[in-house]
Amino acid sequence: DAKTTQPPSMDCAEGRAANLPCNHSTISGNEYVYWYRQIHSQGPQYIIHGLKNNETNEMASLIITEDRKSSTLILPHATLRDTAVYYCIVSPGSGGSNYKLTFGKGTLLTVNP
Amino acid sequence: DAGVTQSPTHLIKTRGQQVTLRCSPKSGHDTVSWYQQALGQGPQFIFQYYEEEERQRGNFPDRFSGHQFPNYSSELNVNALLLGDSALYLCASSFGWGEQFFGPGTRLTVL
Repeated sequence: DAKTTQPPSMDCAEGRAANLPCNHSTISGNEYVYWYRQIHSQGPQYIIHGLKNNETNEMASLIITEDRKSSTLILPHATLRDTAVYYCIVSPGSGGSNYKLTFGKGTLLTVNP
Repeated sequence: DAGVTQSPTHLIKTRGQQVTLRCSPKSGHDTVSWYQQALGQGPQFIFQYYEEEERQRGNFPDRFSGHQFPNYSSELNVNALLLGDSALYLCASSFGWGEQFFGPGTRLTVL
């Protein structure tokens, strides 16, 4: 599986957009980019995933660069409840979710009032 | 929909003992994966079950074994517990190519 690189921590003001970067320079053509988050003492929560096109759902937007070597997760209006560790994961296969997820250490996003 | 449920919530064992953790997948899901999360680390993949068989396995010793039942629920068994097995054990379920949904985890402490 391709490895990912994320900053260990980031801060964001409540109500502002949070932009979380991820580098995955060794990503293969059939690998998807997944984002999960883990609020303290809970199980990880799926946020969004994409292959090459930008994606948006009710939680977030995912912007993938044209060369697919990096991506950015955008939380448009961060709230205190968005404080969590955010994991960027690259996973192979068609949809990929039935393959294992390889978690790194993620980015601790702290949303400040 | 109750989502993914795990039992027990917390467990304390001593070295050398054996433990069984249980997971009920989200309704409609047929695949169960298990992860181990040590303090301060991301979850690490242990193995995945589909159609009652182990489909994939991570880099964990044979002391870690599992089972999936016809109703898709699953068990994780760990034999000869070591202090280093203390961790949060997470179960995730999925269906087809859908995303994995995680349970709240079981916190195992080995003394």
